[in-house]
Amino acid sequence: DAKTTQPPSMDCAEGRAANLPCNHSTISGNEYVYWYRQIHSQGPQYIIHGLKNNETNEMASLIITEDRKSSTLILPHATLRDTAVYYCIVRAGTASKLTFGTGTRLQVTL
Amino acid sequence: GAVVSQHPSRVICKSGTSVKIECRSLDFQATTMFWYRQFPKKSLMLMATSNEGSKATYEQGVEKDKFLINHASLTLSTLTVTSAHPEDSSFYICSARPISSGNAYEQYFGPGTRLTVT
Repeated sequence: DAKTTQPPSMDCAEGRAANLPCNHSTISGNEYVYWYRQIHSQGPQYIIHGLKNNETNEMASLIITEDRKSSTLILPHATLRDTAVYYCIVRAGTASKLTFGTGTRLQVTL
Repeated sequence: GAVVSQHPSRVICKSGTSVKIECRSLDFQATTMFWYRQFPKKSLMLMATSNEGSKATYEQGVEKDKFLINHASLTLSTLTVTSAHPEDSSFYICSARPISSGNAYEQYFGPGTRLTVT
């Protein structure tokens, strides 16, 4: 699976959009980009995934660059409950294993 | 939505004893379950993949005789930490993939079990 690079931490004011970047410059053509988050002392929660098109669901939007070497997870209106560690994971669509990196610790503040 | 439970949520045991952690898929059947461990302020590390009715596949560096995994049914997998030592103290998390899932990404995580070995 391709390696990902994320900033270790970010802050965001409540109500503003949180934009979390992820670099995956060695991504292969059959690899998807997945985002999970882990709120303190809980199990990870699936957020969104995509291959090359931008994706949106009720939780977030995923923007993938045209060359697929990076992506951005967007939480449109961050709340205090969005404070968590966000993991960007790249893996082949047929694989089952999830390999977690160090993630980005997002702190949403008043 | 799909729910995965773990029991116990936290456990304290003495060094040298064994501890069993249960992972259950409550409203779906899972042929594959995964076990992770997480040290404070660190990321999750996959320990093993367990498939119902067969032996678990352990990741490199994980002692299979120390971390016994049993996946006896489509809704239950257990992790037994044998002869626990203080360095085994960690947050153990399981996840389950629905049997009906056509998507490799579909994986639901349990709330975790915090093990403290004294």
